[in-house]
Amino acid sequence: DTAVSQTPKYLVTQMGNDKSIKCEQNLGHDTMYWYKQDSKKFLKIMFSYNNKELIINETVPNRFSPKSPDKAHLNLHINSLELGDSAVYFCASSSAGTYPADTQYFGPGTRLTVL
Amino acid sequence: DQQVKQNSPSLSVQEGRISILNCDYTNSMFDYFLWYKKYPAEGPTFLISISSIKDKNEDGRFTVFLNKSAKHLSLHIVPSQPGDSAVYFCAARASSNTGKLIFGQGTTLQVKP
Repeated sequence: DTAVSQTPKYLVTQMGNDKSIKCEQNLGHDTMYWYKQDSKKFLKIMFSYNNKELIINETVPNRFSPKSPDKAHLNLHINSLELGDSAVYFCASSSAGTYPADTQYFGPGTRLTVL
Repeated sequence: DQQVKQNSPSLSVQEGRISILNCDYTNSMFDYFLWYKKYPAEGPTFLISISSIKDKNEDGRFTVFLNKSAKHLSLHIVPSQPGDSAVYFCAARASSNTGKLIFGQGTTLQVKP
């Protein structure tokens, strides 16, 4: 009974392609996030959705587009992939109703490699 | 501009001894701090947190200390166990921006049997 799941776990693709990463949480949380962990291991937030509404949008190229069909899912679409997009992408979720409030729970990550 | 810094990339301790992981921050608006633990090929998992109204929070073998004047926090693990070997991330947020966690770059802890 995985709490936050991501698919695929690994993604290898060519430059210029378009790809998607899917995220699902079964925790009943109302907020979901996408993070990028680059080669220097920094975890940086990219987007956040609350009840399907975008609430955080960091300085991310518009080739990246999050889509939230419902509050349990937050997918990440990446167009025209570039070498610099190679990273591990983590999905997370949280809820103001948990203790401690707003603690974020992470998925296992998707390692994206752009060749 | 890295607002949360973990200046020690790695730490090695003997089983049974204390592990001390350090974290510094620069943004005085941060008022809530968290530690996450990450095993290889897994996502970070929440470990312990502390609000800026406290200077200490304890949960079993894990204790987080906060020194607001120095903008410094530390995670103490006593006694350290081999299963504690992982990457530990410090994170911070401001209550005005609760969703936005700022992470440090992590410290790899190795606990030797």
